[in-house]
Amino acid sequence: GENVEQHPSTLSVQEGDSAVIKCTYSDSASNYFPWYKQELGKGPQLIIDIRSNVGEKKDQRIAVTLNKTAKHFSLHITETQPEDSAVYFCAALEDNFNKFYFGSGTKLNVKP
Amino acid sequence: ETGVTQSPTHLIKTRGQQVTLRCSSQSGHNTVSWYQQALGQGPQFIFQYYREEENGRGNFPPRFSGLQFPNYSSELNVNALELDDSALYLCASSYSLAPASSYEQYFGPGTRLTVT
Repeated sequence: GENVEQHPSTLSVQEGDSAVIKCTYSDSASNYFPWYKQELGKGPQLIIDIRSNVGEKKDQRIAVTLNKTAKHFSLHITETQPEDSAVYFCAALEDNFNKFYFGSGTKLNVKP
Repeated sequence: ETGVTQSPTHLIKTRGQQVTLRCSSQSGHNTVSWYQQALGQGPQFIFQYYREEENGRGNFPPRFSGLQFPNYSSELNVNALELDDSALYLCASSYSLAPASSYEQYFGPGTRLTVT
């Protein structure tokens, strides 16, 4: 089955700086890669996603890049704000089996 | 448009007991997936239901079972509870045109289950 690894486990940045979180996946059949933000006591919130036929997608301060050859994808947050502080999860969809596999999460702390 | 809702919010059970967790899908969604999230870890896929049929299952024993109803709401049942079942249980709904074609999932707030 699919294996998703996520780095770093914790990330601390100054307000206004950029943050980058990276994930790798093992199954070349995976074709959809969402990113979720989870705040304390809440369920994960979909913030951006990318499909395997696209290399990059951007939504305001958030962007995701995908390198299918290397099997890795990254989340980029620019001009970070304190409200960006949360745990971020990457995931990969193993399409043939309709299963989502999640990374272990990155705790982002944006210092004011 | 209402989001995904789950009940109850918190639950405490004793080892060996049975529990039923409930999920209401987001309006217009026909697919529900259930996940187990242990403290400090990412969600782990339990199973998915599409139009009332199980449509994919993760590495969970048969004592984890589910149902999806005609209105696309869903239940997760866990029998013979073990201490390791203590976790946040999340459901996520999505819209699928066919089995194995759901992409954007929207999560509920979860049910925190504690087994003592």
